[in-house]
Amino acid sequence: EAQVTQNPRYLITVTGKKLTVTCSQNMNHEYMSWYRQDPGLGLRQIYYSMNVEVTDKGDVPEGYKVSRKEKRNFPLILESPSPNQTSLYFCASSPYQRYEQYFGPGTRLTVT
Amino acid sequence: GENVEQHPSTLSVQEGDSAVIKCTYSDSASNYFPWYKQELGKGPQLIIDIRSNVGEKKDQRIAVTLNKTAKHFSLHITETQPEDSAVYFCAASNPSNYGGSQGNLIFGKGTKLSVKP
Repeated sequence: EAQVTQNPRYLITVTGKKLTVTCSQNMNHEYMSWYRQDPGLGLRQIYYSMNVEVTDKGDVPEGYKVSRKEKRNFPLILESPSPNQTSLYFCASSPYQRYEQYFGPGTRLTVT
Repeated sequence: GENVEQHPSTLSVQEGDSAVIKCTYSDSASNYFPWYKQELGKGPQLIIDIRSNVGEKKDQRIAVTLNKTAKHFSLHITETQPEDSAVYFCAASNPSNYGGSQGNLIFGKGTKLSVKP
């Protein structure tokens, strides 16, 4: 089944404890992206990747890192999480930047 | 950069009625306008999209219209059903700016649609 998977789905952590949210797609898509969704703010892009080893900042990249060592994986790294990073995170992939994006199921992160 | 405004933020209709959600965008270079539906506990899913070379597109009960002069586009759902209840997002981008930030989707803030039986 073609899909985007994210792990974990739910995470509660404390301020400053490094964490990684994994994202994997099995559709051989070149383009991948991370979004955060907050009430009243919609979906905002954190980082995106056009292909392996090509990543760039989105609209709200502060406090996040990404890597794209393999085509299928695009992990989101929070080196020192803070409470303002409490949010619902979505990973998405697309054959190319200009086409339909397929979203993962989301990761709900709470930082206390 | 691009800015997308979406209205209303919440919409409640009776089953069988029509629902209309409107979006405006700021960058006249944008030429791709998708609509995503997000059901509770799930990620957004594309339901329809339109490109700037057409003014209207239909898919069964769903239609999207685009007015490039006024820089606004709308989602129309006819004969609404309870399963249409969800959050709907509009978005805009300029896919011809391949690889640049303008090629990324900019989303509206979403509309929570409730269809009452």
